[in-house]
Amino acid sequence: NAGVMQNPRHLVRRRGQEARLRCSPMKGHSHVYWYRQLPEEGLKFMVYLQKENIIDESGMPKERFSAEFPKEGPSILRIQQVVRGDSAAYFCASSQAGGSSYNEQFFGPGTRLTVL
Amino acid sequence: KNEVEQSPQNLTAQEGEFITINCSYSVGISALHWLQQHPGGGIVSLFMLSSGKKKHGRLIATINIQEKHSSLHITASHPRDSAVYICAVGSRGGSEKLVFGKGTKLTVNP
Repeated sequence: NAGVMQNPRHLVRRRGQEARLRCSPMKGHSHVYWYRQLPEEGLKFMVYLQKENIIDESGMPKERFSAEFPKEGPSILRIQQVVRGDSAAYFCASSQAGGSSYNEQFFGPGTRLTVL
Repeated sequence: KNEVEQSPQNLTAQEGEFITINCSYSVGISALHWLQQHPGGGIVSLFMLSSGKKKHGRLIATINIQEKHSSLHITASHPRDSAVYICAVGSRGGSEKLVFGKGTKLTVNP
């Protein structure tokens, strides 16, 4: 029973390019969360999605960042026109249902994005 | 003031010592999580608790809802316990997102 999968594990982009980060939740999980960990900082919530729906995107930067979780396939976090400040580790977590009080979130290994 | 505060920020111990990491939070929560992150590594969920105490091997987590405080204890610490330990809370009545402390970096020397 595979855990949460993220790919790529490491991604290098030049300023202005696009970055696409993928997250496949655990089998049977329909809720996905994206978190960002900037260098020397704690984890911060970005977005919470269910299949085909964005539930809470209060942590997403207003521009250049978008996320989706289609009916089929992985969740995608997309960063357009990357800048050096986007360099961070991006973690995805999934849960069986919503409600952080009742359903544990399981984390993926993260994607480490480096913007040159 | 952060919603989730951890102490200490850094902790160095000798192998075999009893370790305590503290977490205080300022919001009403539905559950509190303790997570472990090794350098350059992923995040592992250690505990999720909303009351009382949980034990798993040498790890013990407690929470006091009235005092809005939780502790993570490691008994008979070992160098392989060296990692960053992160406290996170899910806010009551809010979104399902987690709010994280800044982490406690633990180094256990042989």
